[in-house]
Amino acid sequence: NAGVTQTPKFQVLKTGQSMTLQCAQDMNHEYMSWYRQDPGMGLRLIHYSVGAGITDQGEVPNGYNVSRSTTEDFPLRLLSAAPSQTSVYFCASSRPVGISTEAFFGQGTRLTVV
Amino acid sequence: DAKTTQPPSMDCAEGRAANLPCNHSTISGNEYVYWYRQIHSQGPQYIIHGLKNNETNEMASLIITEDRKSSTLILPHATLRDTAVYYCIVRVFSGNTPLVFGKGTRLSVIA
Repeated sequence: NAGVTQTPKFQVLKTGQSMTLQCAQDMNHEYMSWYRQDPGMGLRLIHYSVGAGITDQGEVPNGYNVSRSTTEDFPLRLLSAAPSQTSVYFCASSRPVGISTEAFFGQGTRLTVV
Repeated sequence: DAKTTQPPSMDCAEGRAANLPCNHSTISGNEYVYWYRQIHSQGPQYIIHGLKNNETNEMASLIITEDRKSSTLILPHATLRDTAVYYCIVRVFSGNTPLVFGKGTRLSVIA
């Protein structure tokens, strides 16, 4: 069982470049979400989705776009990378709250913007 | 904003019980207490959750006070592999609310 798979694991971008962080899960989970974690800090929610075609903003959505065209995939797009977006990005998936209690996380994408 | 308060760091001797406190004085009646941990910058891992009764599983025990304003996560026999950041989260057990993380407690298990 692959669980939650994030690609790439590491990425270096130049300021102004765009890219997409990929997240895929094979557990047929309805809920998916993206977090960023800066050094020494907790995770902050960027965007989340409660099902295909439905997305919503979290605490820190600016500079990021998401879409959810399938249950399995939830890509995160950086439109024009900035050094402030240097961080570790985590994707998570889960069943709806009330059905399951456990969220599963990917191993993270370490992004550096220079 | 996180609804919980945790000490930033704690030490525990290997083999002893690790008791990690969490204050959630504004918890609502329909909110559960969840605990996750993050080992060395890996993705967070679910540990346990509870509403008002004490809970135990193969990883840990959760003790929630009667007024539900605080709780304690207990790792009964801490090992070096339990060194991690532990997050206490309150969350409604229905609807579409995502997990909101605070800064957690960095537990160091010392040999």
